Amino acid sequence: DTAVSQTPKYLVTQMGNDKSIKCEQNLGHDTMYWYKQDSKKFLKIMFSYNNKELIINETVPNRFSPKSPDKAHLNLHINSLELGDSAVYFCASSQGGLAGRETQYFGPGTRLLVL
Amino acid sequence: AQSVAQPEDQVNVAEGNPLTVKCTYSVSGNPYLFWYVQYPNRGLQFLLKYITGDNLVKGSYGFEAEFNKSQTSFHLKKPSALVSDSALYFCAVRDYGGYNKLIFGAGTRLAVHP
Repeated sequence: DTAVSQTPKYLVTQMGNDKSIKCEQNLGHDTMYWYKQDSKKFLKIMFSYNNKELIINETVPNRFSPKSPDKAHLNLHINSLELGDSAVYFCASSQGGLAGRETQYFGPGTRLLVL
Repeated sequence: AQSVAQPEDQVNVAEGNPLTVKCTYSVSGNPYLFWYVQYPNRGLQFLLKYITGDNLVKGSYGFEAEFNKSQTSFHLKKPSALVSDSALYFCAVRDYGGYNKLIFGAGTRLAVHP
């Protein structure tokens, strides 16, 4: 059973297109996250939702818009894709997200390539 | 601002030898520290964390880490390396600004040679 799953696994698209990445967790967690890993493997948090409420919103272009329809799902929509958006996007989840001691569990990643 | 440093881009070790992957941190307040491992084309897997208590933390796959407050370090260790331990290792610290925001180090690639 996959704990944190992401679709699609790979995404190749043209500049200017709009695309979405979906994430689902079956761990019963109430907090979910989006991270971006660049070509140098550097990981940075983008967003976090706790009980469908946005609690972390890093300095990310507003072309990126997360949406959490329920506690088990967190989607990432990207408008007007740019070359620099090429990266691996990881979803993660944790039980609670307010105290800072909770372990985050990561999905397998979505490899986005913008041509 | 909180930060974490992994001073080595790559660590090479022979199979069967002990391994150490270094991590130092800078935080205001008590640190919450984490180690994750990333195998090629995979997501991050949690290894262990230090929140409070015993300075020696034991984790998955035989890994352990020692929290050293005076040296602000949280080095990852394993007594006997396996070729299958070859992967990218990330140290992370909780950002004290709030919530569960993790700040990751740049990662250290561990190569275990037969």
